[in-house]
Amino acid sequence: AQKVTQAQTEISVVEKEDVTLDCVYETRDTTYYLFWYKQPPSGELVFLIRRNSFDEQNEISGRYSWNFQKSTSSFNFTITASQVVDSAVYFCALSMEYGNKLVFGAGTILRVKS
Amino acid sequence: NAGVTQTPKFQVLKTGQSMTLQCAQDMNHEYMSWYRQDPGMGLRLIHYSVGAGITDQGEVPNGYNVSRSTTEDFPLRLLSAAPSQTSVYFCASSSVMHEQYFGPGTRLTVT
Repeated sequence: AQKVTQAQTEISVVEKEDVTLDCVYETRDTTYYLFWYKQPPSGELVFLIRRNSFDEQNEISGRYSWNFQKSTSSFNFTITASQVVDSAVYFCALSMEYGNKLVFGAGTILRVKS
Repeated sequence: NAGVTQTPKFQVLKTGQSMTLQCAQDMNHEYMSWYRQDPGMGLRLIHYSVGAGITDQGEVPNGYNVSRSTTEDFPLRLLSAAPSQTSVYFCASSSVMHEQYFGPGTRLTVT
């Protein structure tokens, strides 16, 4: 069975601090995909990144960066110099090759205070 | 190009009533899915479809029916609503590249 664990239920930081959101996954499949989604207070789900299991390169997009480590089954997300607009619920998710079914973690609430 | 649309945005039902949540996408995606979001539990897959005429159960299918007669539409039917079905429902679609696009959600309350 597949499982995603986001151990941090809620994180509070002050603006301009760096923050890392943890994600640990479980799967027996050798091919899989990992995702991060953002859910701002307005409620929609915003796609942030997809990573394939065969590509362990880390990725940086502006203030966002992702660290994928198959050895520890982790796919962590770091926001550098956080801003109030980063306040949201962040979900890590896993999907297998077939069907595009996503298995979500419980989410991490990020509160960025000015 | 509207992406994924869902109607209604809000709905209140009484226990035992039935209703259909509508979902449509205009991206010609093969895959469509329904999820429910409950506090502290993330999103859980209810039903999914890999193409017109093909549907299958997800993690929490009980109390829900789906059908996929066209590529564009994937309605979710609640047969006899229960308070445990109070939730926010999201429809999603994706292509073979596996990135899922989500609709804006339907907030359902069952009293």
